[in-house]
Formats: sequence, C-alpha cells, structure tokens
Amino acid sequence: SQQGEEDPQALSIQEGENATMNCSYKTSINNLQWYRQNSGRGLVHLILIRSNEREKHSGRLRVTLDTSKKSSSLLITASRAADTASYFCATDAKFGNEKLTFGTGTRLTIIP
Amino acid sequence: DGGITQSPKYLFRKEGQNVTLSCEQNLNHDAMYWYRQDPGQGLRLIYYSQIVNDFQKGDIAEGYSVSREKKESFPLTVTSAQKNPTAFYLCASTRIRAGSTEAFFGQGTRLTVV
Repeated sequence: SQQGEEDPQALSIQEGENATMNCSYKTSINNLQWYRQNSGRGLVHLILIRSNEREKHSGRLRVTLDTSKKSSSLLITASRAADTASYFCATDAKFGNEKLTFGTGTRLTIIP
Repeated sequence: DGGITQSPKYLFRKEGQNVTLSCEQNLNHDAMYWYRQDPGQGLRLIYYSQIVNDFQKGDIAEGYSVSREKKESFPLTVTSAQKNPTAFYLCASTRIRAGSTEAFFGQGTRLTVV
C-alpha cells in the first residue's frame, strides 16, 4: 500500500508557536498534497507540491519535500486556535493508477 | 456556488439492509472518489471513477457498490455484505487525474448500524 504515515499522531502546542508535522510514503510519487480536516467535516486542500519541487509556501504554511527520503513536512507558523484540526498528506504514485492515497493524519491542538 | 454535496449527513442502517449514500458535484469534475474514515484513522479508498460509466475498485471495495451514470453523480451503496459499515464516508472529486489537482470533498455522511 502506498498509504503514508504522519508523525506525530497528535501534537499540542501553545498559540503562537510553530507546528511541524511530517509525512512519509513508500513509493515514487508525482505530487504530494496536504489537507486539513475539522472534526466531523470534509477535508480541505491546503497546498500541493510537485515531485520536482523542494519547498513551497502559502501564507503561514511551509511545505518541504525530500523525494530521496520519501518524506514531507508541513510547518504552520504563528499558530492560532483556529488551526486546531487533523492534517493529512496525500500522494499519487508515479506509476500508479491515478488514485489519491491519504496518510493516517496528525491531530493538532492549539492551546489558547 | 460550485461544490460537492453529500446526503444524508447522518444515516442509520439495520442489520442486513442495503443503504445508498448520495454524492453530487456541480464542479464539472471528471473524477470522483469514495473514502471511508474510521475514528482516529486516515482515509481508505473504496471506489473511484475517472469517467462516466466506468469505475475502479479501491483498497476496501468488498461490500460496497457504485455507479456513474452521470458526470455529476457517484452514489455509493453499502450492502449487507459489508460486515462493519459503521464509519464516516467522504466523497471527493477532482478536475482531472487525482494527483495533479486538488480534491474537493463533501461534508461527509456518518453511517451507523443499529
């Protein structure tokens, strides 16, 4: 299975601190995406990074990708209480059948 | 507003019943997907469809069936063969192939066996 693994499974930090989550995957990919899920809701797309990119920014989000280690990290800077959610990485296998495979998620709690 | 709509939000099924979850999108997306999410877990792919009248099994298709008669609609039937159907079901769509564009998700259907 291509399913990725996020690390840590759960993370609690104080508001204003930075939060870093990691994702590892198993096979070569075309792209990697990060999604956010509020409790009991659907997922919302945050950012997409292509396999030939190493770093990408979007507002308070910074994503890195290391294809040699098959890993990615998501950094949320200056965290806010509203960032409390689960975060998932998703990949599509380079030689796969064009399906999007999700990791197990990191549950982030921001303490006001 | 363009989006993807799942209904109902909550669904209760008796043992041995088939139930159908609705998923409709008005984004003109070609591809649609069904995922299952168990408490505290990630998403597992049930079925996906990249074009009308065609669909493929995902990782956990047993006990489920789908159809794709219209581009806008991708209903999921949970059959009595699915022994543990209690879960949160998410439908998603993408404009073209999955990895190159963002996926849009519905708000989910929570299915409970009673």
